Amino acid sequence: AQTVTQSQPEMSVQEAETVTLSCTYDTSENNYYLFWYKQPPSRQMILVIRQEAYKQQNATENRFSVNFQKAAKSFSLKISDSQLGDTAMYFCALNAGNMLTFGGGTRLMVKP
Amino acid sequence: DGGITQSPKYLFRKEGQNVTLSCEQNLNHDAMYWYRQDPGQGLRLIYYSQIVNDFQKGDIAEGYSVSREKKESFPLTVTSAQKNPTAFYLCASSRNRGLSHFGSYEQYFGPGTRLTVT
Repeated sequence: AQTVTQSQPEMSVQEAETVTLSCTYDTSENNYYLFWYKQPPSRQMILVIRQEAYKQQNATENRFSVNFQKAAKSFSLKISDSQLGDTAMYFCALNAGNMLTFGGGTRLMVKP
Repeated sequence: DGGITQSPKYLFRKEGQNVTLSCEQNLNHDAMYWYRQDPGQGLRLIYYSQIVNDFQKGDIAEGYSVSREKKESFPLTVTSAQKNPTAFYLCASSRNRGLSHFGSYEQYFGPGTRLTVT
């Protein structure tokens, strides 16, 4: 069985500041994939960033980057220069074997 | 434009009635999925299909049924046996690297259907 835990139900950040969302996971697989998805108020799920477990280099997509610590089974998301449009639910997800497992989500509010 | 469509956006049904939610994709993806999302919670997998004419139960399949007669379509039926059907339903699709590795590609999601049963 695989599990994903997001320990921060809600977070807030001032516009233009940096925020980090936490995610820990557990799997017995050695090769797997990790994702961060964003769900804005429209409820459309949008892929933010993707990390392959066999790659040591942390993934980066513009203002979004991850801190992937495989030994600690940690996969945090850093959002730099936060914008009002970043306000959303953020879900961490693990794909190992044949299942995609989601964490419970973190509600991020970006304040002007 | 390539994408996933779900219709309708809002659906209302009386208790005891079966209802079918549609999901269509034109991304040429082999794999398709159905998730349920309850307020303030993450997504839970209902059913998934890796290829046409094949599908597997997810974590919460009881009270639901699916079919996969065409690559582009993966309809979900919420039956009267589902005890708490009111929820937000999301359909997704992904490329399929093969039966032993199908999970390695990211999933693309439709806009969702909000089902309310009274």
